[in-house]
Amino acid sequence: DIQMTQSPSSLSASVGDRVTITCRASQTISNYLNWYQQRPGKAPKLLIYAASTLQTGVPSRFSGSGSGPDFTLTISSLQPEDFATYYCQQSYSSPITFGQGTRLEIK
Amino acid sequence: EVQLVQSGVEVKKPGDSLKISCEGSGYSFNSYFIVWVRQMPGKGLEWVGTIYPGDSETTHSPSFQGQVTISADKSISTAYLQWSSLKASDTAVYYCARLLRFEKYSVSDWALDYWGQGTLVAVSS
Repeated sequence: DIQMTQSPSSLSASVGDRVTITCRASQTISNYLNWYQQRPGKAPKLLIYAASTLQTGVPSRFSGSGSGPDFTLTISSLQPEDFATYYCQQSYSSPITFGQGTRLEIK
Repeated sequence: EVQLVQSGVEVKKPGDSLKISCEGSGYSFNSYFIVWVRQMPGKGLEWVGTIYPGDSETTHSPSFQGQVTISADKSISTAYLQWSSLKASDTAVYYCARLLRFEKYSVSDWALDYWGQGTLVAVSS
C-alpha cells in the first residue's frame, strides 16, 4: 500500500497569511494526487486534482504543485472560510489512501 | 445538478444488521464509480470500497473485506453499504462519493468530485 504522509499535522495561521501544506507518498505516484478540504461537520470537497489542476469553482488562492513522491498545497492569502482540515489522496494505485490530514486553525 | 443524498443517522446495538444508502441524481448514475469512505470520530478518511453501478463490479479495501457488503440498484440510482453484525468499532460517519475519471481509460487519473452529506452510524450497547 502507498502511505501518504502530510506535514504539519496542524497549523495556526492568521487571515491573509500564505500557508503551505506538504504531502509525501511512500513511492512515486507521478502526478496522481488530489487535495480535499473538509470543514467541521461537513463532507470533504475536492480542491485540486492531478497535483495542480484547480477544480471548477475553487478560488485561485489555492494552488498545488509537485510530482513523484512530494507535493504541496498552497493557500496564498488565507480567508476565514479556509480554516478547515486538508487531506491529500493518491489515485495512482489501489488501495486508495489518504494522508492523515492537516488541521488549519486560526491564530 | 449532481447530488448524492445519503440516508439518515443510525443508532444501533452491537450485533445488529444495517444497510445505509446513497442516492445519486443529476447525472448518469450507472456510468460512474461510487466510493465509500469511513471517518471515525475525530479521525481521518479511510477507503472502504468501490462499486460500478452499471455492472455492480465491486472492490473492497483489504481492511474492510468481509466486514461490509457494497451493492447498488441501478434502477433507482442508489448504492448501499451493509453490515450483517455491527461492532462498536464501526461507529463512524460514512460518506459516499462519485469517482470522476479525467482520462476515459486511465485507472489512475481520477478524483472524488461529489460527496454525499455523510451518514452517522453509532453502535453502542
